Amino acid sequence: GAVVSQHPSRVICKSGTSVKIECRSLDFQATTMFWYRQFPKKSLMLMATSNEGSKATYEQGVEKDKFLINHASLTLSTLTVTSAHPEDSSFYICSARATSGGYTFGSGTRLTVV
Amino acid sequence: QQQVKQSPQSLIVQKGGISIINCAYENTAFDYFPWYQQFPGKGPALLIAIRPDVSEKKEGRFTISFNKSAKQFSLHIMDSQPGDSATYFCAATYGGATNKLIFGTGTLLAVQP
Repeated sequence: GAVVSQHPSRVICKSGTSVKIECRSLDFQATTMFWYRQFPKKSLMLMATSNEGSKATYEQGVEKDKFLINHASLTLSTLTVTSAHPEDSSFYICSARATSGGYTFGSGTRLTVV
Repeated sequence: QQQVKQSPQSLIVQKGGISIINCAYENTAFDYFPWYQQFPGKGPALLIAIRPDVSEKKEGRFTISFNKSAKQFSLHIMDSQPGDSATYFCAATYGGATNKLIFGTGTLLAVQP
């Protein structure tokens, strides 16, 4: 089946630094990738949608300058949290949609900003 | 109109029992309704999905019942097992440029041995 690899699974960074999270579709080409944020015991909150080779579309209220998304190829999308602060600590999850349809999720990244 | 309402928020079921989670939607353009299972610290995994042209879909112990006229769909877990203890999310989407999933609020299921 379709597999999405997300790295790192956990990261701790100092306040003010930037962190990059990678999302790779391993055995299919992802025309669209999605980035979510999830708070404890809450649902997934869509942050942005990215299509290969074009700018990401951000959901209302999501700071595009803080959460930089790059979708340079059909198998790789990255989320960079810039100038991270403790309030950015969260569980970030990517999802990839293949041309055939269906959504496959990565295993998530636990970001802790200290 | 973009919301998907999910209930209950939490559910406790005895081993061997039936777990039932319900979702309702407003947007009649939705044409794909998946259910996801999420364990703590992991990403959601697709459990089963249905399209509105069928009223029921069964895969093993998991069944989706779909009521198009009522704009409701539900997940039934038969013979619930402790290993089924997880958070379950319903979702919906429709064909379009972004095809983004709209998630329900989630149901925390605990199956007691």
